[in-house]
Amino acid sequence: DTAVSQTPKYLVTQMGNDKSIKCEQNLGHDTMYWYKQDSKKFLKIMFSYNNKELIINETVPNRFSPKSPDKAHLNLHINSLELGDSAVYFCASSRESGLYNEQFFGPGTRLTVL
Amino acid sequence: AQTVTQSQPEMSVQEAETVTLSCTYDTSESDYYLFWYKQPPSRQMILVIRQEAYKQQNATENRFSVNFQKAAKSFSLKISDSQLGDAAMYFCAYQGGKLIFGQGTELSVKP
Repeated sequence: DTAVSQTPKYLVTQMGNDKSIKCEQNLGHDTMYWYKQDSKKFLKIMFSYNNKELIINETVPNRFSPKSPDKAHLNLHINSLELGDSAVYFCASSRESGLYNEQFFGPGTRLTVL
Repeated sequence: AQTVTQSQPEMSVQEAETVTLSCTYDTSESDYYLFWYKQPPSRQMILVIRQEAYKQQNATENRFSVNFQKAAKSFSLKISDSQLGDAAMYFCAYQGGKLIFGQGTELSVKP
């Protein structure tokens, strides 16, 4: 029973392509997140959705667009991929947004842009 | 803006010994949470321990304990009786409105 799943786990693509990463949670949580972990292992939040509404949008290039078709899914679309987009992308979910809600992380998607 | 600093990029410990990982943070908030996450080579982010800022008592989870010094804004993790499976990257994290991570400490365990 995977709580937070991501597909694909690995993604290798050429510069300039458009790609998507899918995330699904079966925990019944209201809030979902996308994080980026760079080559130095630094983790930073990119987006957060609560009940399909965007609540956190960090300084991320607008080539990145999250889409939440329903509460259980938060997909990440990346247009015109650049070398610097190579990273591990983590999806996470929590029961609610707010001060404390434990976040459950997916297994990560390693994106390599050639 | 809140920041989290882990000043030890790498640490090493002998199996069965004790090791302490350091973390400091900066915030003007009085109510927040602090966490230690473990990331083994599998990449999975695993919550190790959490601390509520309003609680003076240090959190403990089996072999893992924290030393929370609110005035000093310090939150260190102590791992007792270290095991080979403890080898991983450890991240300190602060949660006010959003989760902010430190740079990580790579822990190796020597048999």
